[in-house]
Amino acid sequence: DTGVSQDPRHKITKRGQNVTFRCDPISEHNRLYWYRQTLGQGPEFLTYFQNEAQLEKSRLLSDRFSAERPKGSFSTLEIQRTEQGDSAMYLCASSLPGGNEQFFGPGTRLTVL
Amino acid sequence: AQSVTQLDSQVPVFEEAPVELRCNYSSSVSVYLFWYVQYPNQGLQLLLKYLSGSTLVKGINGFEAEFNKSQTSFHLRKPSVHISDTAEYFCAVHSGNTPLVFGKGTRLSVIA
Repeated sequence: DTGVSQDPRHKITKRGQNVTFRCDPISEHNRLYWYRQTLGQGPEFLTYFQNEAQLEKSRLLSDRFSAERPKGSFSTLEIQRTEQGDSAMYLCASSLPGGNEQFFGPGTRLTVL
Repeated sequence: AQSVTQLDSQVPVFEEAPVELRCNYSSSVSVYLFWYVQYPNQGLQLLLKYLSGSTLVKGINGFEAEFNKSQTSFHLRKPSVHISDTAEYFCAVHSGNTPLVFGKGTRLSVIA
C-alpha cells in the first residue's frame, strides 16, 4: 500500500470555474477527512466520512463546496464557482476504524486567478 | 471545543543547537496529541504522538515531546538540529476519531 494519494497535485483555474479533486485513502481505512490549509496557517477541518456516510461538515464548507464518497473508497471534493479566496492547499487524510492516527496525502494546491 | 496555540510563529536556530517548539492546548475532555512536519509543497508527516502511557514520547528524526497535563502543554524538542530539519511544524489535538484541530504552525529555520 502506497499511502493516501490525491489528484491533481496542482490546479490553476479562473474565477467562476468549477474544480474537482480526488482522494484515494489507504485501503481498509474507513474514515476519510478533508482539510484546507491557507498560506501561513494550519490545516482546518472541512468534512469527514465514515465509509460512504458524511458525518460532519465544518461551517467553512459553504454551499459551493460538496464532497462525496459514493462507494466508501475514494472521495471527491468539488468547488463550484471558484473564488480567489478558495486558493489553498486541500489535504485529505484517512484512518482505520477506531484509529487515532490520521495519515495525510500530499495535498492538492489550488490557485484561483 | 478544542484549541491549540503554538506560541512561536518562527524559530531560527543554528545547526547542531538544541531547539524547543512550544505547544499549548485547551480541551474539556481527554485528548490525543500530535506533532506533524510539513516540507515545502508537501503534505503532513507524523513526527510523534501521545495517546496514553509515558508522558515522554520519542518520534522520528530524533525529535521528542513531553505531555504535561497540568500545564496543558506538549512541547517538541530536539537536542541537535540539522539543516534538513528546516520545515513547518504543526501541533494538533483530537479527542478520538474526531477531526484534528491544528495550531497555526511554527517555521523552524536552521542556520548553517
